[in-house]
Amino acid sequence: EPEVTQTPSHQVTQMGQEVILRCVPISNHLYFYWYRQILGQKVEFLVSFYNNEISEKSEIFDDQFSVERPDGSNFTLKIRSTKLEDSAMYFCASSPRQRLSGANVLTFGAGSRLTVL
Amino acid sequence: AQSVTQLDSHVSVSEGTPVLLRCNYSSSYSPSLFWYVQHPNKGLQLLLKYTSAATLVKGINGFEAEFKKSETSFHLTKPSAHMSDAAEYFCVVSDGSTDKLIFGTGTRLQVFP
Repeated sequence: EPEVTQTPSHQVTQMGQEVILRCVPISNHLYFYWYRQILGQKVEFLVSFYNNEISEKSEIFDDQFSVERPDGSNFTLKIRSTKLEDSAMYFCASSPRQRLSGANVLTFGAGSRLTVL
Repeated sequence: AQSVTQLDSHVSVSEGTPVLLRCNYSSSYSPSLFWYVQHPNKGLQLLLKYTSAATLVKGINGFEAEFKKSETSFHLTKPSAHMSDAAEYFCVVSDGSTDKLIFGTGTRLQVFP
């Protein structure tokens, strides 16, 4: 069964450092997403991406965050200067179509745990 | 605005007994509802989804959920728990007009032998 692959599984970084989290979506999917889950809190939407553009973002997704699809397979989330409150599990997801209803569902990766010290 | 409330943060059952994980939702539109499961160190796996077809939805691993509009509920059930069902379960809503899924806070299911 096709999978969404995320690397690294766990990253520890110092506050103020740049972090890049990587994702390989399912190959025929066109829509890509990042979600995060701070320990003990809900899974929250960060951003959706289609056709090399952000299609929707949450208020969490400020100027410190950016996303990119640098080649035909990878989808990355960059945090420019990490803060303590960025410590969370970050989930990448992909879907074949945009609107999340009907037959369209998201496939999630296993997550990347980011710890900011 | 959409929201999801999972009424229990932890549920403990004995193996072979029924499972009930409760979820209530709020949505201005005709919602799509999902249950996702997360096993330790694994991704979020789709268990089942409701998208305005049959109100009783069957999913993987013997789980099912019933959409009750009058009660704004989408509770997840399984007749007989298995040890492998121990995991975190998330109730999720989307109205289909945005790209966002709205997650509940999750219910941790423990299954005792």
